[in-house]
Amino acid sequence: GAVVSQHPSWVICKSGTSVKIECRSLDFQATTMFWYRQFPKQSLMLMATSNEGSKATYEQGVEKDKFLINHASLTLSTLTVTSAHPEDSSFYICSARDPDTFSQPQHFGDGTRLSIL
Amino acid sequence: AQTVTQSQPEMSVQEAETVTLSCTYDTSESNYYLFWYKQPPSRQMILVIRQEAYKQQNATENRFSVNFQKAAKSFSLKISDSQLGDTAMYFCAFMDSGGGADGLTFGKGTHLIIQP
Repeated sequence: GAVVSQHPSWVICKSGTSVKIECRSLDFQATTMFWYRQFPKQSLMLMATSNEGSKATYEQGVEKDKFLINHASLTLSTLTVTSAHPEDSSFYICSARDPDTFSQPQHFGDGTRLSIL
Repeated sequence: AQTVTQSQPEMSVQEAETVTLSCTYDTSESNYYLFWYKQPPSRQMILVIRQEAYKQQNATENRFSVNFQKAAKSFSLKISDSQLGDTAMYFCAFMDSGGGADGLTFGKGTHLIIQP
């Protein structure tokens, strides 16, 4: 089945550092990828929709200058948390849709646990 | 905008029992998809079952089945013969059917605990 790879799985860094998270579709081309954030004991919240070759669409309340999204190819989207602070610590999950299977749900990566000290 | 409501923060049942998790949603769309995802402690998102809104027949996947009531905007999940491995967070999710450009809207989740 379709596989989405997310890297790294866990990152710990100092406050003020920028962190890049990669999301790759391994066996299909994804024109659209999605980034979610999940705080402890809470649900997944959609942050932004990543569109190949164009600007990302951000959900209300998500700072686009804080969370930079790049979708330069059909198999790779990156999320960069710029000047990260402890309040950015969270679990970030990406997903992708295979355009050849329209009715299929999104395929999720395994997530990235981000801890800012 | 659509909303998804799961009113049971936590449920606990004995192994082999049947349990039903509730989910209601609100939308003005006529065509959409509904899903139940399982998230174990590893935090991996595992698709349990999905339902297309235009299909009247309730979806089933082995021990998992749904009761989809479109008019009532209700989408409950029934787990039969529950197993210890079913212990996890369960999220109900909504997706608009338009164009594949929409992300999922999740409910707050239900923590299901299967007791031995």
